[in-house]
This record gives sequence, structure tokens and C-alpha cells, in this order.
Amino acid sequence: DVKVTQSSRYLVKRTGEKVFLECVQDMDHENMFWYRQDPGLGLRLIYFSYDVKMKEKGDIPEGYSVSREKKERFSLILESASTNQTSMYLCASSRKRPGQGDSTYSNQPQHFGDGTRLSIL
Amino acid sequence: RKEVEQDPGPFNVPEGATVAFNCTYSNSASQSFFWYRQDCRKEPKLLMSVYSSGNEDGRFTAQLNRASQYISLLIRDSKLSDSATYLCVVSLYSSASKIIFGSGTRLSIRP
Repeated sequence: DVKVTQSSRYLVKRTGEKVFLECVQDMDHENMFWYRQDPGLGLRLIYFSYDVKMKEKGDIPEGYSVSREKKERFSLILESASTNQTSMYLCASSRKRPGQGDSTYSNQPQHFGDGTRLSIL
Repeated sequence: RKEVEQDPGPFNVPEGATVAFNCTYSNSASQSFFWYRQDCRKEPKLLMSVYSSGNEDGRFTAQLNRASQYISLLIRDSKLSDSATYLCVVSLYSSASKIIFGSGTRLSIRP
């Protein structure tokens, strides 16, 4: 069974702080994703990575950065936290479809971590 | 127009009823389709993929209508444990970062 683990379930930080959210998956998946989920807006993609050290912007990358130094770990960084970044953050991973190029993500289903509820005060 | 649209509900149906949701998508180049369920304050979990010919998994049936650009989920003999939010997911095969989640349809099964 795929296991995607996020470092914290609940986190409270102050505006201006640098915040790190960590995600680890144990299934050797090539693709990893960071989403935020807000009421009425659904899941919105922040960043994703299709390989170590590779990353691409999603729909709402502003105010965020990511790091993928190892295949199993994908970190989301809030450079200077603001109150509008209060949200539920979800990490996901998926297998890359065999034979696909490096720049395409897989259409394999994603497996999600438990989520991190982040509050910025 | 949203890229993926779902009726937010809530759908409130009695146990044992049959309930169906639709999800419409705007991009005709969409290639992959999924239904996820999300329980309150939990992460989304894959319910089933949706194949062109339609597919069934126990009480759940998924259909794809490419001409009208929608997918559907049918739940037969609904159980109390089916209460959840159902998310429609649509993706473009060859375009990076184009996995779009619907906002979800909330289903509540009453005894």
C-alpha cells in the first residue's frame, strides 16, 4: 500500500515566518505534488515535481517554493508566510506512466498524504 | 466557466437509494478521468478511474461521455458509509500540471 506521509497534521505560524512542509512517499513514485484546498475552491496545484531536482509551477505558485533533493521527499516552502496562506495543504504522489518523457506528468492516479492544516496568525 | 464543474450538493438520500452525480469538463483534449472520495477533514482517496467504455466496481458505476464532455458516478444501494464528498478529477495526458479537481459533490446518506 502506498504511504504518503506529511510531517505535521496541524501547524500554527506567524506572518513573515519561513515555513517548511515536508512530504515523504515510500513507493518510489516519480511524481510528487503540492496542493492547497480551500472551501468552495477545491484542490489547487501549487507545484509539482516529476523527478529529483525537477519542478514545475502549478496554478498558484506565488509565495511558495519547493525542493526535491531526494526522490522520496518533496518540500513546500512558504518564504514569508501571510494570512492568506492559511489553508489545508495536501501532498500527493503518483507513478509516471511508462515510456513518457521527463516533462510530462503521469495520468496515473494520485495518492495523498493526510494533509497539514496550516494557520498563519 | 470552470474547467471542471460539479454540483456541490448536498445530496441527502435515504439508505438503499440509488444516487448519481455528473461532472462536466471544458477541455475536449482531456484524457484521464477519476472519481475520488473525501471524508470530512481527511485526504482525498481514489474511488475509481473512469474508462471510455464505462466501468463498474461493486455498487459503483462510472461512465464517460466524450461527446457531451461529462463523467458520471452512480451509487446503487447506498450505505451510511457512502456519506462523503465526491471529487471529479480530469487530466490532460501530455500537458504538465493539468490535473484539475472539481470542487466536489457532498453526499449525505440518512438512515
